[in-house]
Amino acid sequence: AQKITQTQPGMFVQEKEAVTLDCTYDTSDPSYGLFWYKQPSSGEMIFLIYQGSYDQQNATEGRYSLNFQKARKSANLVISASQLGDSAMYFCAMPQGGKLIFGQGTELSVKP
Amino acid sequence: NAGVTQTPKFQVLKTGQSMTLQCAQDMNHNSMYWYRQDPGMGLRLIYYSASEGTTDKGEVPNGYNVSRLNKREFSLRLESAAPSQTSVYFCASRETGMETQYFGPGTRLLVL
Repeated sequence: AQKITQTQPGMFVQEKEAVTLDCTYDTSDPSYGLFWYKQPSSGEMIFLIYQGSYDQQNATEGRYSLNFQKARKSANLVISASQLGDSAMYFCAMPQGGKLIFGQGTELSVKP
Repeated sequence: NAGVTQTPKFQVLKTGQSMTLQCAQDMNHNSMYWYRQDPGMGLRLIYYSASEGTTDKGEVPNGYNVSRLNKREFSLRLESAAPSQTSVYFCASRETGMETQYFGPGTRLLVL
């Protein structure tokens, strides 16, 4: 069974700096993917970025990019030029048979 | 286009009471899901429905029942609420063949 691990319960970053949120995974499937979702204090789950293991290049969506290193089984989220509105919980998740397996989350705080 | 909607937004129950959480999506997705989120944890799957007329258990199904009323609606029922079911409940939907799940705003449930 798949397993997702986020080892950083909380992170701080200065506004306008870049930050990397860690995610490691364990799966025996030859084909898989990784999601990142953002959960602000208002509670909704917002889809940020997705990459499949078969994708050749790291996915990018605006200021978000996914640093996928299959040999290390890691799929870290990089947020460039942090903004105050980036303060939120961030979850890494992996699809398993159409369902999603979530990590424990990382709480990011952006300081002005 | 409202996406995924959930009602109610917030509910307080006494132990032993029953209630149904409603979820609807207007994206014509086949698959729908119910997750719960407890403090300090990622989302855990309760039940899912791969298509109209089918439902399957997820990771934490005990104490819950579901009904896929039609393609749009997927309800979650607590027959006899317990304090351990205090949580935030999220409904999600997914288009067949795509990996991304889209989440509703969540229902905060407090069982006293």
